Amino acid sequence: GVTQSPTHLIKTRGQQVTLRCSSQSGHNTVSWYQQALGQGPQFIFQYYREEENGRGNFPPRFSGLQFPNDSSELNVNALELDDSALYLCASSISGQVYGYTFGSGTRLTVV
Amino acid sequence: AQSVTQLGSHVSVSEGALVLLRCNYSSSVPPYLFWYVQYPNQGLQLLLKYTTGATLVKGINGFEAEFKKSETSFHLTKPSAHMSDAAEYFCAVGGGGGNKLTFGTGTQLKVEL
Repeated sequence: GVTQSPTHLIKTRGQQVTLRCSSQSGHNTVSWYQQALGQGPQFIFQYYREEENGRGNFPPRFSGLQFPNDSSELNVNALELDDSALYLCASSISGQVYGYTFGSGTRLTVV
Repeated sequence: AQSVTQLGSHVSVSEGALVLLRCNYSSSVPPYLFWYVQYPNQGLQLLLKYTTGATLVKGINGFEAEFKKSETSFHLTKPSAHMSDAAEYFCAVGGGGGNKLTFGTGTQLKVEL
């Protein structure tokens, strides 16, 4: 399956954070979603073969990386209080949304 | 653009009663439709999906949903609620070659004795 780390973390406003995701074996696409409290997940961006392949309505301080070994990162710079959320990673084959497998998420709290 | 509306942010049913969670979608292309369940402090688990073909879709844990194009709906049902069904449920739409899912705001299901 898809594993995410860490499961929880607390950061201070203005800091930077890196969240990690290990995709399901054989999947070449990773998508990241932000789920604020009481809301549905919102698409941040997708990476396919190590290149960004679509982005939602998120500022450039949200960035990502995808590595050849099925792992990926979500980086957020200059953290704001509103960045507090559950961040979900989903892997799939060639970006096919009907084949998403979600991880359990990382709960980020910004204070 | 695609969007999802889930009617009722909170639904309460008695154990053994019918579960009906409502979802309406908007899509300019033939949609793929999904229902996910989320338990506290966990990620999303796929209940069922519609891509093409039969419009009545059966999923896990006794849930099913029917794609009604004329009504732009994809309501989730279960004949008899169980205490373990208490969770948050999200309807989502994708498709048209797009690479993302658009989720509704969720429905919290409470099951009472």
